[in-house]
Amino acid sequence: NAGVTQTPKFQVLKTGQSMTLQCAQDMNHNSMYWYRQDPGMGLRLIYYSASEGTTDKGEVPNGYNVSRLNKREFSLRLESAAPSQTSVYFCASGSGELFFGEGSRLTVL
Amino acid sequence: SQQGEEDPQALSIQEGENATMNCSYKTSINNLQWYRQNSGRGLVHLILIRSNEREKHSGRLRVTLDTSKKSSSLLITASRAADTASYFCAPGRYGGSQGNLIFGKGTKLSVKP
Repeated sequence: NAGVTQTPKFQVLKTGQSMTLQCAQDMNHNSMYWYRQDPGMGLRLIYYSASEGTTDKGEVPNGYNVSRLNKREFSLRLESAAPSQTSVYFCASGSGELFFGEGSRLTVL
Repeated sequence: SQQGEEDPQALSIQEGENATMNCSYKTSINNLQWYRQNSGRGLVHLILIRSNEREKHSGRLRVTLDTSKKSSSLLITASRAADTASYFCAPGRYGGSQGNLIFGKGTKLSVKP
């Protein structure tokens, strides 16, 4: 069972570059989420999607955009990456109990 | 904020001992969940306790919930080195997206063989 799959697992960007983190789930969940995790900060919610076609801001949405492409896929885009966006990004899906991907480690130089 | 705050921030024990972690929150909840995160991995759901429950068990895990004090505790009995991980609580609120969880900074548990 794949569960929640994130790509890429690692990425290094230069300041100002753009990139998209991909997330897909095969559990038929309506809700999907993007979190970032920084040392000493715990997990912070960036955006979430309660159902296909809807997205809402979380705690720290600035500098990010999301797309709920279909029920399976929820992507996170950095239009102009900044060093402050260096972090580990986690995608999750579920309602109640959440299922997490293994993370995408992003470094912005 | 619906964020849970875990205490202590770090805990170091010997294998075989019990580990207790606490969680406090500020607003009314529908349920409260605990998750584990092994180093470099994603979070894994451990247990969910509903607001009308006071205690719940799952294997070596025991969770309590005191809604009057807005607090929960996670007890891991007879700990093993494999229990070394960070543990997070996540209060679940009424209404809205039930999975829209706000996580705290976690308790980092180290179990020494």
